[in-house]
Amino acid sequence: ETGVTQTPRHLVMGMTNKKSLKCEQHLGHNAMYWYKQSAKKPLELMFVYNFKEQTENNSVPSRFSPECPNSSHLFLHLHTLQPEDSALYLCASSQSSADISYEQYFGPGTRLTVT
Amino acid sequence: TQLLEQSPQFLSIQEGENLTVYCNSSSVFSSLQWYRQEPGEGPVLLVTVVTGGEVKKLKRLTFQFGDARKDSSLHITAAQPGDTGLYLCAGANAGGTSYGKLTFGQGTILTVHP
Repeated sequence: ETGVTQTPRHLVMGMTNKKSLKCEQHLGHNAMYWYKQSAKKPLELMFVYNFKEQTENNSVPSRFSPECPNSSHLFLHLHTLQPEDSALYLCASSQSSADISYEQYFGPGTRLTVT
Repeated sequence: TQLLEQSPQFLSIQEGENLTVYCNSSSVFSSLQWYRQEPGEGPVLLVTVVTGGEVKKLKRLTFQFGDARKDSSLHITAAQPGDTGLYLCAGANAGGTSYGKLTFGQGTILTVHP
């Protein structure tokens, strides 16, 4: 138990569906992150939020829309996805992105399958 | 673009053997972290190294940060089946446009057979 929870753990959706992934951290951190993990590829950073403000969008397609209502919650809204978007989506948090040790704590991930 | 080359990609060994995983880059990092990930779960932080030449031990695991802070190694002594998993290294940069971002290696899948 890392203090970061994600729901749902598994999601199957069609290309025309709209769904949302949820992440919650109970660590009192101020920075939250979305990563994509595909087979045979390094972890890809998607978005970074610091104190609820988006500070990084790593050229992510607009069919992925993040939302950070407060420092403890992070959402990833999905619409009109493609089969190649199937992957494990990981949420992480850290004290802040200015933390010199940059220790990030990950949730268990949402396994997304796009059909 | 910073890159972290991790090797080997796959490692299959017998219980009791020793192994070393390497993480190399041409870039300097302010710190480097090692994570272990099991199937169906997120990465779990094992250790952070910050100082060049630093060595940290966690039971049978020994982590070293290179003097120039461009490379790191993870050595496991007398591996056990419970060590099986994906090992990831991640480098952090303290400045410039990479501020707050971790660069991940592609990972090493370790399988320890009983």
